[in-house]
Amino acid sequence: NAGVMQNPRHLVRRRGQEARLRCSPMKGHSHVYWYRQLPEEGLKFMVYLQKENIIDESGMPKERFSAEFPKEGPSILRIQQVVRGDSAAYFCASSPRLTGANTEAFFGQGTRLTVV
Amino acid sequence: AQKVTQAQTEISVVEKEDVTLDCVYETRDTTYYLFWYKQPPSGELVFLIRRNSFDEQNEISGRYSWNFQKSTSSFNFTITASQVVDSAVYFCALSEASGGTSYGKLTFGQGTILTVHP
Repeated sequence: NAGVMQNPRHLVRRRGQEARLRCSPMKGHSHVYWYRQLPEEGLKFMVYLQKENIIDESGMPKERFSAEFPKEGPSILRIQQVVRGDSAAYFCASSPRLTGANTEAFFGQGTRLTVV
Repeated sequence: AQKVTQAQTEISVVEKEDVTLDCVYETRDTTYYLFWYKQPPSGELVFLIRRNSFDEQNEISGRYSWNFQKSTSSFNFTITASQVVDSAVYFCALSEASGGTSYGKLTFGQGTILTVHP
């Protein structure tokens, strides 16, 4: 859904650099989810955030990865000291409330990270 | 633990053929939600349908139809009279509801690559 804005769409980083991926949820949405899609695989849940809180980070790698969703501004997924294996498409989704009946999470267009 | 299996890795059909994409899921919850998403070559994820576990009615939307069978834990997707524009990767996904709420943590299948030839 075009309402969830992710930038950049494409990001190239050298091994060891930092990658910052941004996600602006749809207006009025206070729930953000990050997913990673490795080449030729399905999407895997990484982290779920509400404003200023990490609710579930069970899918986040233990090291080098962090996420935040500040009171003001976009959600940021940060990857420190990137390695080739971090090359993937990272998708952000947002919803206005807990998803379930009558709601679904709307996805952004993704950020394709390439580590060279 | 929840799991979604899309056994068909790739399907190739000729335009106007009907095609069914299979999805089998595993969950311990009695309340859950099932989804289908389309990922065209441009890469974005397009929401197609959401179905909750209490609603086993099949649904039809234009050329698309979905068959939800709780007894076999399946949520299959059929495209009637396929078109070249249907070529994409299709993902089935599951979201469990825990404690009366669900929070959008989707478990995706591996996806099925559908190619429709003219």
